[in-house]
Amino acid sequence: DTGVSQNPRHKITKRGQNVTFRCDPISEHNRLYWYRQTLGQGPEFLTYFQNEAQLEKSRLLSDRFSAERPKGSFSTLEIQRTEQGDSAMYLCASSRSTEYSSYEQYFGPGTRLTVT
Amino acid sequence: AQKITQTQPGMFVQEKEAVTLDCTYDTSDQSYGLFWYKQPSSGEMIFLIYQGSYDEQNATEGRYSLNFQKARKSANLVISASQLGDSAMYFCAMEFMKTSYDKVIFGPGTSLSVIP
Repeated sequence: DTGVSQNPRHKITKRGQNVTFRCDPISEHNRLYWYRQTLGQGPEFLTYFQNEAQLEKSRLLSDRFSAERPKGSFSTLEIQRTEQGDSAMYLCASSRSTEYSSYEQYFGPGTRLTVT
Repeated sequence: AQKITQTQPGMFVQEKEAVTLDCTYDTSDQSYGLFWYKQPSSGEMIFLIYQGSYDEQNATEGRYSLNFQKARKSANLVISASQLGDSAMYFCAMEFMKTSYDKVIFGPGTSLSVIP
């Protein structure tokens, strides 16, 4: 169990550019979540996957955001045409949760995005 | 709408004393999991304790216990024998069994400072 990893840890980009983040969950976890966290706030749910299926997206998630989890392993989160309001910490988490049972989530260290 | 309220933005506790962090929630769902996470200044999100909505006994994990009062929709965290390393942000969170736009919600957090 090597934990959840995220890359890159920091990303600085100019407004209008596209960025992509990667998350590698704990290998035996079938559920993967993406969150956004701004300073002084709790994490805000963005989307989640059960294996390779993306089951739901937050209503707050604009069309500029897209996530994939090919083959139910690692996941990527892409933000197109970044805006300054996208600056935040992007957290990934994984768990053993199923549609019938809820388990704790293990979080990665996050990717800090700064849009200039 | 689903919502979590943590009414204590900041708390202080003397080392070795017990402290209670409040969490109340609003939902009409019957099936959910309640979680507490700790986020030190270093940034990583650490799972502390879990309570299922159908669990009749309050959860305990070492120095952590969850005072679950379902009728009052509260899930307070009790930390016994506080240690300096307990100084951190504490988040109450819920995961709903059904697939929904707000699958997981976090409260705004409580900042706990342990005084030597």
